[in-house]
Amino acid sequence: DTAVSQTPKYLVTQMGNDKSIKCEQNLGHDTMYWYKQDSKKFLKIMFSYNNKELIINETVPNRFSPKSPDKAHLNLHINSLELGDSAVYFCASSTWGRGNTIYFGEGSWLTVV
Amino acid sequence: QKEVEQNSGPLSVPEGAIASLNCTYSDRGSQSFFWYRQYSGKSPELIMFIYSNGDKEDGRFTAQLNKASQYVSLLIRDSQPSDSATYLCAVNKEGAQKLVFGQGTRLTINP
Repeated sequence: DTAVSQTPKYLVTQMGNDKSIKCEQNLGHDTMYWYKQDSKKFLKIMFSYNNKELIINETVPNRFSPKSPDKAHLNLHINSLELGDSAVYFCASSTWGRGNTIYFGEGSWLTVV
Repeated sequence: QKEVEQNSGPLSVPEGAIASLNCTYSDRGSQSFFWYRQYSGKSPELIMFIYSNGDKEDGRFTAQLNKASQYVSLLIRDSQPSDSATYLCAVNKEGAQKLVFGQGTRLTINP
């Protein structure tokens, strides 16, 4: 069983389209995240949720809207996609508190053409 | 100044030697420190974490932390070709509930 799973793994879409990436974790964690890894491999946090509540929003354009229907799921919807949105998006989860060991999903490769 | 800095490499080490990866961080309030390994096209996977000053060993891996110097390192003994990957240093500030990553060091172990 995959601990943190996200779909789709690959996504190619045109500029201006709207797309969603779904994420689920079966680790029993209460905190979930979206990270973005750009072409230079720099991994940067976008959002975090704790028990369905938004905790961190790292100055991400409001075209990106996360939604957490329950603490095991965190989805990412992106409106009006731009070329610069092309990246790998990693969902992750952890327990809340010190240590904060984060476990990553396999990533979703988004290419905007 | 970047919050977490690593030499992007590439770092090339012969098989069987010790690979030494370094990381510095800017926030003195940082409490927890992590090393992740990322193979090309894969997701980051946790190798080790360290909270206290000093060394922490796990198999062939040793993490070293010096909070006074704001420095974290990872030593890989008896390097294997399978250790070739990008190594990401990550830092967590108490209560911040997020990991801040360095840009990663690409390590190549030469047979």
